[in-house]
Amino acid sequence: AQSVSQHNHHVILSEAASLELGCNYSYGGTVNLFWYVQYPGQHLQLLLKYFSGDPLVKGIKGFEAEFIKSKFSFNLRKPSVQWSDTAEYFCATGTASKLTFGTGTRLQVTL
Amino acid sequence: DTAVSQTPKYLVTQMGNDKSIKCEQNLGHDTMYWYKQDSKKFLKIMFSYNNKELIINETVPNRFSPKSPDKAHLNLHINSLELGDSAVYFCASSQDRGTRAFFGQGTRLTVV
Repeated sequence: AQSVSQHNHHVILSEAASLELGCNYSYGGTVNLFWYVQYPGQHLQLLLKYFSGDPLVKGIKGFEAEFIKSKFSFNLRKPSVQWSDTAEYFCATGTASKLTFGTGTRLQVTL
Repeated sequence: DTAVSQTPKYLVTQMGNDKSIKCEQNLGHDTMYWYKQDSKKFLKIMFSYNNKELIINETVPNRFSPKSPDKAHLNLHINSLELGDSAVYFCASSQDRGTRAFFGQGTRLTVV
């Protein structure tokens, strides 16, 4: 079964620092990858997704992720974080019949 | 012990039937959610309850009715099922002011 793993459980950054959150997926044929974000007190929202094509995916709010097949990775990046990026970030993979989430990474951005 | 559990995992039913999906969390969280994963593989919020009170109700047909008998349970009842209701439904919970959400394994609903 497809799965994803997020190794960073809690990341603390200062404003303007660069961000990279790791996500590794298990091989399982067709790869569909997602990053979701949950801001404090809110529900989950889609940041970006990869189905095929350009491995560098641009998402909302300045986020991007790069699909690197040789490394089974789909890391989330942002050049300069803001305090408002403080949230929980989930990597996910799956098909139309099943979506599997990583355990999440809590990002805390300090002023 | 499973933190957020949904039952059943798979549900196949005919159009027009009424069905329920149950969700229970043993984390002591105040907030619970129902999400729908649609055919484009996106996860969309349907409902959110905080301490048994509805706080989010997105554009969802009236045939969908969440029921929260207590803080640990948020069940989803669907009346007059339609083909388009076929999807995977995820339950989740989180602390009231926290960011970490715990998800159930999902319930795959197939309407035939």
